[in-house]
Formats: sequence, C-alpha cells, structure tokens
Amino acid sequence: QQQVKQSPQSLIVQKGGIPIINCAYENTAFDYFPWYQQFPGKGPALLIAIRPDVSEKKEGRFTISFNKSAKQFSLHIMDSQPGDSATYFCAAGGKGGGYQKVTFGIGTKLQVIP
Amino acid sequence: EAQVTQNPRYLITVTGKKLTVTCSQNMNHEYMSWYRQDPGLGLRQIYYSMNVEVTDKGDVPEGYKVSRKEKRNFPLILESPSPNQTSLYFCASSPKTGGSQPQHFGDGTRLSIL
Repeated sequence: QQQVKQSPQSLIVQKGGIPIINCAYENTAFDYFPWYQQFPGKGPALLIAIRPDVSEKKEGRFTISFNKSAKQFSLHIMDSQPGDSATYFCAAGGKGGGYQKVTFGIGTKLQVIP
Repeated sequence: EAQVTQNPRYLITVTGKKLTVTCSQNMNHEYMSWYRQDPGLGLRQIYYSMNVEVTDKGDVPEGYKVSRKEKRNFPLILESPSPNQTSLYFCASSPKTGGSQPQHFGDGTRLSIL
C-alpha cells in the first residue's frame, strides 16, 4: 500500500521555470511533511519541511503548499537553476500505522536545462 | 562535522555469503533507520531503532537483520544475501524518536548480489 503518492516521476524545465512536484497522503496521523533533495552519489538531504498547522512555507526559492483537507502537498521551485537538477522525494512522518515512521514517495527526477 | 558514515560504499558479492554494512553517526541521535532505494519504488524502510536495544521492522524487513548495541552504531546484516537484495542502501538518523523529525542520511552503499 503506497501511503504517499508522488508525481510526476520525471520533469524537465528550462532555466527560470517553476517546476511543481505533487504528493498526496492517506494517513491523517501524519504530522510532518518534509522534502528531500538527492544528488547523484549522495544521500537525500532535507530541503524544507512543513507541519499541518500552516498552509504554506517558503525558504529561499523553495515553497511548500499544504492542503490538509485534500491531504495533498506540493513543492514549487521558483526561478529554477541547472544546479537544482536532482531527485526530489516527498515524505510523510508521524504516528502513521500506530508507530513512529516516515514514508517516502517514489521520487521525482528533475532536470533544469540552461 | 556532523555526519552519518556507511561502509562499504560499494560491494559486489555472491549469493549466500553473509555481509554486514556498518553505519555510524556522531550526532548522539536516538533514532536510526535503514532504507533501500530502488528505481520506481523510492525509499523503503527496512528496519528502524528508537534507541539502544530497541529495534523494529519497517516495510521491507525480510532477509535483513539489525542490532543496536551502542547509540552511535546501527549495522545492517544480510545473513544469506540473494540477488533481489541488489540495491542502494541508506542509513539515516534523527535526533529523537520517530517520523516527525528531520533525518540525516549517509551517502549510501551500493550492493550487488550475483
């Protein structure tokens, strides 16, 4: 059972564009929604995270939008740059399934072309 | 420097030959976890540990063992590896127990089981 559904699996945008990656979750016990960025040969690194008491969080060029009623959240990258080319994972964490865990989406490979 | 260190980074071995992947963190984190990353499947949790001597199964525990005898170390053991365990493995840690904390990942171990 895929508890966090992420789309699209791949995305190509031109420099300066605004890629949007979407995620949907099922378990309302989740209370932490991070995004991780992964470069080739490296482990995922926390990019930005949101908790369900706010609808939007912005850090630099990265913004999370959160819709609690729809159980959806998305990552927007403003003024995207070639250096943003990476794989992005959304995740949902908390006491889902009765124990503390984090569930990841399948990942989105983003390519920003100059 | 705060980090999660995995060894080895790469390993090619044969079916049935027991192997151990080590993981060590220097941040005094309580929570540690192992994931495997496969194309199209994202990151899936294998085992996690909420503290010393406390471990539990994640989503894909079959064929793996773990132990947590010291707070900083969390080795992953494959008693009798099989080709379907060929994957990219990540160890992660977070300050406190559970899914509502940011995770720090190692740089991964690529295992090939022939």
